[in-house]
Amino acid sequence: SSELTQDPAVSVALGQTVRITCQGDSLRSYYASWYQQKPGQAPVLVIYGKNNRPSGIPDRFSGSSSGNTASLTITGAQAEDEADYYCNSRDSSGNHPLFGGGTKLTVL
Amino acid sequence: QVQLVESGGGLVKPGGSLRLSCAASGFTFSDYYMSWIRQAPGKGLEWVSYISSSSSYTNYADSVKGRFTISRDNAKNSLYLQMNSLRAEDTAVYYCARALIVGASDAFDIWGQGTMVTVSS
Repeated sequence: SSELTQDPAVSVALGQTVRITCQGDSLRSYYASWYQQKPGQAPVLVIYGKNNRPSGIPDRFSGSSSGNTASLTITGAQAEDEADYYCNSRDSSGNHPLFGGGTKLTVL
Repeated sequence: QVQLVESGGGLVKPGGSLRLSCAASGFTFSDYYMSWIRQAPGKGLEWVSYISSSSSYTNYADSVKGRFTISRDNAKNSLYLQMNSLRAEDTAVYYCARALIVGASDAFDIWGQGTMVTVSS
């Protein structure tokens, strides 16, 4: 499959840990990157490569990967983390970048 | 500061054309691959096109191949997307984004604020 599959919605209690997953065959060969998008705003890169955070991204965000699944973990979720999260990697041919369908994170 | 600013969006009839521009500042534009990514209203992100730093390599999503052309002018620190034969399904916010090449993978670390393209009669 050339798809990257994400759960449409996930919720987490304030201060707890949440894992957002992304599944796809291409993840066995390519890194995933993760983006946070708040309403009316452009996406922001939060994790890329093996587990790299751009400057300014809090260290409560981390990434991991196993087999065909990549994960974004938020340890100690904050109210400001409520957003849509998208994974990105390559399609199964490796020719084109591909985004997952997105996960809406609600912080309770 | 590092910034990307898109322009050129608007309302166009089906079958029409539009040219988007993206002005880069705060970094050495000619060092980076660049990309266009779009988002239809209420929908997810869709990668559209890629161009290498020297323009020697371009790549397109199947949904726009043959209709859209990506280009850049490194002297002007600008990225472009020429969109022809526009369809209703091309209606979206179009973002330009700077690409990081991480091994065989990539990531988009800087995004513009987006420009809205509406294709409607």
